[in-house]
Amino acid sequence: DAGVIQSPRHEVTEMGQEVTLRCKPISGHNSLFWYRQTMMRGLELLIYFNNNVPIDDSGMPEDRFSAKMPNASFSTLKIQPSEPRDSAVYFCASRPGLNEGEQFFGPGTRLTVL
Amino acid sequence: AQSVTQPDIHITVSEGASLELRCNYSYGATPYLFWYVQSPGQGLQLLLKYFSGDTLVQGIKGFEAEFKRSQSSFNLRKPSVHWSDAAEYFCAVSYNTDKLIFGTGTRLQVFP
Repeated sequence: DAGVIQSPRHEVTEMGQEVTLRCKPISGHNSLFWYRQTMMRGLELLIYFNNNVPIDDSGMPEDRFSAKMPNASFSTLKIQPSEPRDSAVYFCASRPGLNEGEQFFGPGTRLTVL
Repeated sequence: AQSVTQPDIHITVSEGASLELRCNYSYGATPYLFWYVQSPGQGLQLLLKYFSGDTLVQGIKGFEAEFKRSQSSFNLRKPSVHWSDAAEYFCAVSYNTDKLIFGTGTRLQVFP
């Protein structure tokens, strides 16, 4: 199994630009999580889905952030417009199901907003 | 509020020495407990987890952790550290939900 796949691995953009991060969960996993990691705030859960439906988006920092999961094998996290304070590593993780099994993390996308 | 405390931001040990990384959680209910390791530039890998039963759990790479309810702790241990263990270690808890609450991490440095 290829594990959780994230793209791009690195993204550098300018303030005000739209950024889209992508995630492919492990095949057969029904739950998908987006995290953000910064030095100041550590690892924060932004949003998670079960069976492609958003369950809890209370961690999404503001309306500039949005996430979608159009099908079981693909999710996006979009930031529009991006700001320098959005610079962080964004991780995607998947899990077999709600309250089932461990979360498997992708390698992350390092986002730098200039 | 539910929280996880890892009091040691940075630990340095010599290769072959024993290791203990501390983790404490708040909140009265017994959570599900996890330890993850993150190597530089990598995602998080699960080392071990505790859900119930035997309070001493064994994980991968020779790690173990002990759940102590009276101390609200779930400390990670390894009897002999290898240079390849240098990484950042995260304790996490879950209270019968899907959310993982992470500690701030402990960075482990290993000297030869």
